[in-house]
Amino acid sequence: NAGVTQTPKFQVLKTGQSMTLQCAQDMNHEYMSWYRQDPGMGLRLIHYSVGAGITDQGEVPNGYNVSRSTTEDFPLRLLSAAPSQTSVYFCASSYSRQGGETQYFGPGTRLLVL
Amino acid sequence: SQQGEEDPQALSIQEGENATMNCSYKTSINNLQWYRQNSGRGLVHLILIRSNEREKHSGRLRVTLDTSKKSSSLLITASRAADTASYFCATVNTGGFKTIFGAGTRLFVKA
Repeated sequence: NAGVTQTPKFQVLKTGQSMTLQCAQDMNHEYMSWYRQDPGMGLRLIHYSVGAGITDQGEVPNGYNVSRSTTEDFPLRLLSAAPSQTSVYFCASSYSRQGGETQYFGPGTRLLVL
Repeated sequence: SQQGEEDPQALSIQEGENATMNCSYKTSINNLQWYRQNSGRGLVHLILIRSNEREKHSGRLRVTLDTSKKSSSLLITASRAADTASYFCATVNTGGFKTIFGAGTRLFVKA
């Protein structure tokens, strides 16, 4: 199993540009989530999904959209990038539909917004 | 707002010593988890302790949970240089769905 994969690994955007961060898992997990990690801080939950077609907001959802058309994929869209969105983004999945059990993390995407 | 707060923020010890990290949280939880993050990498799950458990062991790791004080501790015994990493506690509120992470403790183990 590849586990949780994320692409791209690095991305540089200009203010106002849009882009999609990709996340996929091959463990048939119902629960998937997106976090951002800023320097010296823990992870903050952006959005999560408890199954295909079901998404909900986390702690810091503004400026981000998600969709879940399949169990495997959970892309994160930045609608109009801002410097405040410079961060490392992690995708995670869990076998628990509520997400309250062990989460498996991807390697992260480093995003720089100029 | 962060649910868990780790203490200390940073810890430097010699190889072979024990390392203790603490986590405090604010609301009722379903469970509490500890994760490790090596520099530039994703998080790796270490151990999960449920609200009705008081202590749990996994190899050199020992986790305690005191729900009356809303606190947990992670003890790493006989530390190794490879244990150098950031350690995060994460809480899952009653009802689930959201796992909230603290800011982490950076552990440096000197060989």
